[in-house]
Amino acid sequence: QQQVKQSPQSLIVQKGGISIINCAYENTAFDYFPWYQQFPGKGPALLIAIRPDVSEKKEGRFTISFNKSAKQFSLHIMDSQPGDSATYFCAASEDGGATNKLIFGTGTLLAVQP
Amino acid sequence: DAGVTQSPTHLIKTRGQQVTLRCSPKSGHDTVSWYQQALGQGPQFIFQYYEEEERQRGNFPDRFSGHQFPNYSSELNVNALLLGDSALYLCASNRWTAGPYEQYFGPGTRLTVT
Repeated sequence: QQQVKQSPQSLIVQKGGISIINCAYENTAFDYFPWYQQFPGKGPALLIAIRPDVSEKKEGRFTISFNKSAKQFSLHIMDSQPGDSATYFCAASEDGGATNKLIFGTGTLLAVQP
Repeated sequence: DAGVTQSPTHLIKTRGQQVTLRCSPKSGHDTVSWYQQALGQGPQFIFQYYEEEERQRGNFPDRFSGHQFPNYSSELNVNALLLGDSALYLCASNRWTAGPYEQYFGPGTRLTVT
């Protein structure tokens, strides 16, 4: 299986709230899990990434939580701002350093209301 | 430092025609990957080039071909265009020795097939 399942498809959050996006995978060979942010008309931009040797990684308002046994990982955006409104994609890569191929989820459209 | 650049920005072609898209990687990067992003979907891996060779290929037909030049820039060629080829084509670059990490995407080329 080379699939990454992402939910929800869309999300509306009030300014200052917490946005949570979830992803699940099947391939246990995956060992790199990045999150990308994409604004309309732009390419995806790397936001934050994690490897399975840690359960959590935080960068500013963005946190990845990783559950290796459940094969799930999630993105938390704290104190969500209108400028965070974008589409977010989780991704995974198999075989560690042997490949550059990223498998993407289907995306979550986040709208942060002022 | 210029990031990943792609040309053209937009392109309209007729079914059955051929198209060439171009990508210049971020300075210091030697590996280029191409992705297809259909509307409302996550990017799908097409193929990857390093040292002017195709290193890995996704589930795309032979109508999709590519090339990498000595300066690391790359082209994506699609022959016998189908309506279903309409999508945003993204180029990503990174260093081969970094594996899947730190892949930077360009803004994409929006291809419309009529």
